[in-house]
Amino acid sequence: QQPVQSPQAVILREGEDAVINCSSSKALYSVHWYRQKHGEAPVFLMILLKGGEQKGHEKISASFNEKKQQSSLYLTASQLSYSGTYFCGTEPMENNDMRFGAGTRLTVKP
Amino acid sequence: DGGITQSPKYLFRKEGQNVTLSCEQNLNHDAMYWYRQDPGQGLRLIYYSQIVNDFQKGDIAEGYSVSREKKESFPLTVTSAQKNPTAFYLCASRRRGTYNEQFFGPGTRLTVL
Repeated sequence: QQPVQSPQAVILREGEDAVINCSSSKALYSVHWYRQKHGEAPVFLMILLKGGEQKGHEKISASFNEKKQQSSLYLTASQLSYSGTYFCGTEPMENNDMRFGAGTRLTVKP
Repeated sequence: DGGITQSPKYLFRKEGQNVTLSCEQNLNHDAMYWYRQDPGQGLRLIYYSQIVNDFQKGDIAEGYSVSREKKESFPLTVTSAQKNPTAFYLCASRRRGTYNEQFFGPGTRLTVL
């Protein structure tokens, strides 16, 4: 029931772009994106709803393909502060239980 | 300031002992969640509750128990039946309904010796 994320890890230089993908086998109402720094709690980045609404971070964009139940998070012109583990959380149509993917570890180097 | 508190931050217990992890929120959120995180891994759902006096099992509920007697509190008990309880435990809450993000507590790192 957990969504599948890819890639597992990404290493970038400052200024480079990255895309993180998330897919689910269930029909989804929403996809959430969070970032977690080591030893800390995850922090909310963005919500994407079925139907196209979005709410979230100004400098981060994402897409949600309702037909394929897939979402992608786009990190452009990466900064050192973008380093961390990114999780997608998916909310199925039939209930509000949120399940998270295994995470994508992003490392931005100077 | 509104938020979620988890205590303690670090907890050590001997094998075979039950232990209860605290989670309190003053955000007036209806839904609360418990997740377990193992090193280098994602968040796995243990239990969740949408309203007071009601809760549902997540994907890894075996060896855990919860209660939801008050809206603001959702304690998690790790019982001796949990075979490998050492992990980082995160509590979260959100307003009921969609389009509302989850807010996470700071977590409790449980080590069973």
